[in-house]
Amino acid sequence: GAVVSQHPSWVICKSGTSVKIECRSLDFQATTMFWYRQFPKQSLMLMATSNEGSKATYEQGVEKDKFLINHASLTLSTLTVTSAHPEDSSFYICSGNGYTFGSGTRLTVV
Amino acid sequence: GNSVTQMEGPVTLSEEAFLTINCTYTATGYPSLFWYVQYPGEGLQLLLKATKADDKGSNKGFEATYRKETTSFHLEKGSVQVSDSAVYFCALRYNQAGTALIFGKGTTLSVSS
Repeated sequence: GAVVSQHPSWVICKSGTSVKIECRSLDFQATTMFWYRQFPKQSLMLMATSNEGSKATYEQGVEKDKFLINHASLTLSTLTVTSAHPEDSSFYICSGNGYTFGSGTRLTVV
Repeated sequence: GNSVTQMEGPVTLSEEAFLTINCTYTATGYPSLFWYVQYPGEGLQLLLKATKADDKGSNKGFEATYRKETTSFHLEKGSVQVSDSAVYFCALRYNQAGTALIFGKGTTLSVSS
């Protein structure tokens, strides 16, 4: 079946630094990759939709300058949290092909 | 707009009890319906899905039937195990390229031995 590999699984960074999260589709080509955010004990909220070779589409309220998305190839999409702050601490998860998810990244900003 | 409503949790059961987690949806047209499971500290795993009315999705003893007349997709399992303890998410998605899943709020299931 379709597999999405997401790295890192967890990361701790200092406030003000940037963190990059990678999602790779291993056995299929993901024209579209979705990025979600999940706060503790809450549901998944769609942050943005990335399309290979074009700009990402962000959901209302998501800062595009803070959450930079790059989808340069059909198998790789990246999310960079720039100038991270403690309120950015969350669980980030990607999805390729619409319904296959990566394993998620737990980001803690200290 | 399109939305998914799940029963509030947590649901606490004893091992071998019968499980039902209710899920209803609001949508136009004919979306596909999904149940995902999330174990502590992990990502989402697709548990089962149904793509059209009256379809029954099943996996690992869990099943759910796509009921268009009641706009429901309730998750059931005849005999739960401790290892089923997790958070369960109901979701819908239209079968169009570039369309994201819409999730319910999730229901926490806790099974004790």
